[in-house]
Amino acid sequence: NAGVTQTPKFRVLKTGQSMTLLCAQDMNHEYMYWYRQDPGMGLRLIHYSVGEGTTAKGEVPDGYNVSRLKKQNFLLGLESAAPSQTSVYFCASSYDEKLFFGSGTQLSVL
Amino acid sequence: KQEVTQIPAALSVPEGENLVLNCSFTDSAIYNLQWFRQDPGKGLTSLLLIQSSQREQTSGRLNASLDKSSGRSTLYIAASQPGDSATYLCAVRPGNKLSFGAGTTVTVRA
Repeated sequence: NAGVTQTPKFRVLKTGQSMTLLCAQDMNHEYMYWYRQDPGMGLRLIHYSVGEGTTAKGEVPDGYNVSRLKKQNFLLGLESAAPSQTSVYFCASSYDEKLFFGSGTQLSVL
Repeated sequence: KQEVTQIPAALSVPEGENLVLNCSFTDSAIYNLQWFRQDPGKGLTSLLLIQSSQREQTSGRLNASLDKSSGRSTLYIAASQPGDSATYLCAVRPGNKLSFGAGTTVTVRA
């Protein structure tokens, strides 16, 4: 049982480049989330989805877009990366109020 | 806006000592509170979930208490072991999204 899988694990971008982070879960969960984690700060919610075809903004959505075309996948896009988006990104899915996290993507924007 | 604080940011104890980790939140109108463990380079793992109507939850050597009126939760880890070394985060759910603390990094010395 793979749980929540994130790809890639590491990425380095130049300012202005675009990329997509992929999150896949095999637990048939309706709810999925994208968080970012910065040193000394708690996780901050970027976007979330309550089911296939739905997305909603979280606490820090600016500069990011998401899509949930299939129930098992939740994609996070950066259209024009900025140094302020250097962070560790976590995807999570939830069931019965418990969250299950992926192992994270370390993104550096130079 | 809900603010979640965890003090201290880091803690070092000898093996066998009991651990006491603190979490405080500013708005007592929460549905539940969760404690998570995060190992270096990994995602978060849910340890305990306390509903707003509950006072505590226990799992093995872990016990978490919740005092909504004072906006506090405490995670107790009995007879600490080197394998307990990790970062522990708490999160509260005031609505349909979680608010996380920055975590307490625990080192258990052998």
